[in-house]
Amino acid sequence: AQTVTQSQPEMSVQEAETVTLSCTYDTSESDYYLFWYKQPPSRQMILVIRQEAYKQQNATENRFSVNFQKAAKSFSLKISDSQLGDAAMYFCAFSRGGSEKLVFGKGTKLTVNP
Amino acid sequence: DVKVTQSSRYLVKRTGEKVFLECVQDMDHENMFWYRQDPGLGLRLIYFSYDVKMKEKGDIPEGYSVSREKKERFSLILESASTNQTSMYLCASRKRGGRETQYFGPGTRLLVL
Repeated sequence: AQTVTQSQPEMSVQEAETVTLSCTYDTSESDYYLFWYKQPPSRQMILVIRQEAYKQQNATENRFSVNFQKAAKSFSLKISDSQLGDAAMYFCAFSRGGSEKLVFGKGTKLTVNP
Repeated sequence: DVKVTQSSRYLVKRTGEKVFLECVQDMDHENMFWYRQDPGLGLRLIYFSYDVKMKEKGDIPEGYSVSREKKERFSLILESASTNQTSMYLCASRKRGGRETQYFGPGTRLLVL
């Protein structure tokens, strides 16, 4: 069974600084997808970024980028120029290519200090 | 604009009551999911449905059942609510395919007294 581990229950960052959230996963599959989801306080969870395992290039969405290390089974999220609105729970998730289900990590609570 | 809605944001029930949580999506997604979210435990899958009237147990199905009579609606039922079912319940939907984005509802915070 696949597992997703987020080793940092909480992180904090100063506004305008850069922060990296860690995620590791365990799978024997070769076809899979990785996701970062964001859950702001009292608001709906939304997708931040997605990475296809077959792509070597790291995904980027504006201030959000990933460092995908396939051999190490690592998928970290980098947030540049952190803003107060980035404060949220961040969940790393894994999906096998043929599966309809996501496997989630336990989440990292990010605090952004002004 | 895609939407997943849940019938209640907050709910207070008594032990032993039968509880219905409703979820509706307007995206014609095949897959729908119910999770519970507890601090330190992340999201745990209770049940998911991959088609009308089809369901599959997730990681923690005990004490819960589900119903999907229409494609857009997925209901979670607590047959006899217990205090250990106090939690945040999240509904989600997703188009078929491992790459697809999963969309979440706003959540129902359930308190069982």
